[in-house]
Amino acid sequence: KNQVEQSPQSLIILEGKNCTLQCNYTVSPFSNLRWYKQDTGRGPVSLTIMTFSENTKSNGRYTATLDADTKQSSLHITASQLSDSASYICVVSASSGGYNKLIFGAGTRLAVHP
Amino acid sequence: GAGVSQSPSNKVTEKGKDVELRCDPISGHTALYWYRQSLGQGLEFLIYFQGNSAPDKSGLPSDRFSAERTGGSVSTLTIQRTQQEDSAVYLCASSSRRSAIQETQYFGPGTRLLVL
Repeated sequence: KNQVEQSPQSLIILEGKNCTLQCNYTVSPFSNLRWYKQDTGRGPVSLTIMTFSENTKSNGRYTATLDADTKQSSLHITASQLSDSASYICVVSASSGGYNKLIFGAGTRLAVHP
Repeated sequence: GAGVSQSPSNKVTEKGKDVELRCDPISGHTALYWYRQSLGQGLEFLIYFQGNSAPDKSGLPSDRFSAERTGGSVSTLTIQRTQQEDSAVYLCASSSRRSAIQETQYFGPGTRLLVL
């Protein structure tokens, strides 16, 4: 069964600190992996997208890694800001019948405190 | 440069009533998706439209749920005889292509449905 699991469920950090969010998946056949940021009351917004051959991708203070062998990904946030408070969702895409089907994780809720 | 819009933003209804949720995708996007996000849960795929092809309805939880997309643009998700477990945020997303490996879906703000 295709599944995406994220940890931790929730996280509280102080402004300026770094943090790392984890994503483990069992999705086949794997197509790509995305990290989305979802602010409260808003739709998810794409942060990064990585294919099988990519190990790391950065978007400003966000850096995503992918280990396709162990089927693990992480999202590292550097020098956190209050505006980073949001849910971070790991999404894995499976190729199916010529198109991509997305499997969503439950998300990690991050709260950045001053 | 408008994004995906959804209406209403909030909907409160009585159990047993029918509701219609609307999605206006980004102009020119051929692919449109509906998802459901229950409190504390991940996004759940409901239905997918691509151009004039038959929609992928594999995620619809029951026959009370249906969706249509008129003229390849606006989409309406209809829930008949609503139940309390239908309470959730319903998100719509659109993209320019689904088969592209780098395809990115752009999400609307969602409709928060509460069934009393």
